[in-house]
Amino acid sequence: DTGVSQNPRHKITKRGQNVTFRCDPISEHNRLYWYRQTLGQGPEFLTYFQNEAQLEKSRLLSDRFSAERPKGSFSTLEIQRTEQGDSAMYLCASQPGTGERTEAFFGQGTRLTVV
Amino acid sequence: RKEVEQDPGPFNVPEGATVAFNCTYSNSASQSFFWYRQDCRKEPKLLMSVYSSGNEDGRFTAQLNRASQYISLLIRDSKLSDSATYLCVVNYPGFQKLVFGTGTRLLVSP
Repeated sequence: DTGVSQNPRHKITKRGQNVTFRCDPISEHNRLYWYRQTLGQGPEFLTYFQNEAQLEKSRLLSDRFSAERPKGSFSTLEIQRTEQGDSAMYLCASQPGTGERTEAFFGQGTRLTVV
Repeated sequence: RKEVEQDPGPFNVPEGATVAFNCTYSNSASQSFFWYRQDCRKEPKLLMSVYSSGNEDGRFTAQLNRASQYISLLIRDSKLSDSATYLCVVNYPGFQKLVFGTGTRLLVSP
């Protein structure tokens, strides 16, 4: 499968624990996005990488959230000291090149439940 | 004002009906527009890009009105398989982030 891959698919964690999600974009896609989606809402932008550079970060991303893309390939999203409000689907998307009209491809997401 | 606004629906239509969805966006400098489709508990997938002159793909027609900052999607001859959430997406200029609307849910019944 050469699509966007996200791991794990599901994560249940206790409040206060740290979690880390991984995203493997489509090979050679230099743009990578993280989004969060809750029930009944559209995906909300969290952060954007072009190669290894994190170019934009949403105000939604509190200090407890950090994302990296160390070699410009896979990316990780870490949430520290999880809260119940962090429960959501976390989606990763990748996009080739620098053009505005290119399609963004999404992974199947990581569903986080904080109990 | 939200960056991208859509009527959340749901739109309940019978098979064969024509249905239209609307979307407005706030940033007049946006250059690229898309409609994505999302099935229940699945990831969004591109349905079609929206071009200035309007474009059609089979039963689907997308229109853009830059003056009113308005995008539309028309679905003709609805099928049961069209039941999904339709997300309006606008590319923000500068860093090119994709901004999604909340989605419009469509239910097509027999």
